[in-house]
Amino acid sequence: QVHLQESGPGLVKPSETLSLTCGFTGASVKSYYWSWIRQSPENGLEWIGFFFYTARAYYNPSLKSRVTISADLAKNQLSLRLTSVTAADTAVYYCARLYGNDAFDIWGPGTMVTVSS
Amino acid sequence: DLVLTQTPLSLPVTLGQPASISCRSSQSLVQSDGNTYLSWLQQRPGQPPRLLIYKISNRFSGVPDRFSGSGAGTDFTLKISRVEAEDVGIYYCLQATQFPPMYTFGQGTKLEIK
Repeated sequence: QVHLQESGPGLVKPSETLSLTCGFTGASVKSYYWSWIRQSPENGLEWIGFFFYTARAYYNPSLKSRVTISADLAKNQLSLRLTSVTAADTAVYYCARLYGNDAFDIWGPGTMVTVSS
Repeated sequence: DLVLTQTPLSLPVTLGQPASISCRSSQSLVQSDGNTYLSWLQQRPGQPPRLLIYKISNRFSGVPDRFSGSGAGTDFTLKISRVEAEDVGIYYCLQATQFPPMYTFGQGTKLEIK
């Protein structure tokens, strides 16, 4: 059975960089496409981007200039890096597996990130 | 930009009664490969979203058959034939565009028991 677990600091200061990791059990980061998705009361669910280890990452155009998704194959982890954060980046951040090309079938429990000084 | 609009936003339903949620897209969701990548997710309180339906009408593994999806082009519907207490939560439609990749969620419909 596949399980995902997001981790990272719950509080980030404005203008700094948000860094999260997603660890997998039961699946290899090399075997599927993996996404980061966030959820806030203001913006609902928002796709951030996806990553496949042999291909480039693809990002939501609204975040593309600030986001990097990568993987540590040795640790079987996915990473998210979001620069120059503002209060608008406050959200629950999820990692999720892409099923086929079009749906997300496995989600982590999510991690809450607050941007505040 | 493509927008998915769900109606209603709030859906009070009596136990055992049917429920229906609409998802309308601002443009056709038919992709160049002929497929329509419209899925539905359920988010129970305090949990991450859960995949219910993919490619309009395909029930995901383990999803009860009281859930069904239909539609084409720009108009899609999720139906629950007989609502149960465990169905309380927020339902989202999601569309996937292939080239370039982009995924857009509807704003959500909150289902509650009357």
